[in-house]
Amino acid sequence: AQRVTQPEKLLSVFKGAPVELKCNYSYSGSPELFWYVQYSRQRLQLLLRHISRESIKGFTADLNKGETSFHLKKPFAQEEDSAMYYCVAGGSNYKLTFGKGTLLTVNP
Amino acid sequence: EPEVTQTPSHQVTQMGQEVILRCVPISNHLYFYWYRQILGQKVEFLVSFYNNEISEKSEIFDDQFSVERPDGSNFTLKIRSTKLEDSAMYFCASQWTGKEKLFFGSGTQLSVL
Repeated sequence: AQRVTQPEKLLSVFKGAPVELKCNYSYSGSPELFWYVQYSRQRLQLLLRHISRESIKGFTADLNKGETSFHLKKPFAQEEDSAMYYCVAGGSNYKLTFGKGTLLTVNP
Repeated sequence: EPEVTQTPSHQVTQMGQEVILRCVPISNHLYFYWYRQILGQKVEFLVSFYNNEISEKSEIFDDQFSVERPDGSNFTLKIRSTKLEDSAMYFCASQWTGKEKLFFGSGTQLSVL
């Protein structure tokens, strides 16, 4: 069965510190991996996807097929990065499987 | 940027009642989805819809659930006889093609009493 695991429910860092949100997946075939973000009182929105290999708001994520991981990283966290982050895997027909999410708090 | 619109933002209903959650996807999108999130739990896939029919549904999406695109713009989720465990935030999403990013609505919080 498809599964996405985000081991940290809560993550708290200070502004300017590096941040890494962990994600591991178990998926048949070759899924596409995403990170979605939900800022306070806002809708879910796509942060980045592995196939585009781009950096959004300073965040990057590298797909490691050997470790089946897709960790989200940012070298210097900002207060506005505080949000709920979801690691998501998608297969055919784009049925998405969500992780449970990690609530990131960036303290001043 | 265009948005997916969901109404109402909050819906309170009595157990056993029917509810209809409404969504207006982005106008040129072709793929439509419903997801839900029970408080404290992860976002779960319910159903996907393309070309006026369900293309995939989860085990959650039983006979009490149905979806419709009655007029080419609205995309509705109906729960025929609500149960307490249907209380959740329901998200609608749409997509232009099956390979583009999903755009999510802001959700409808359903409370079944």
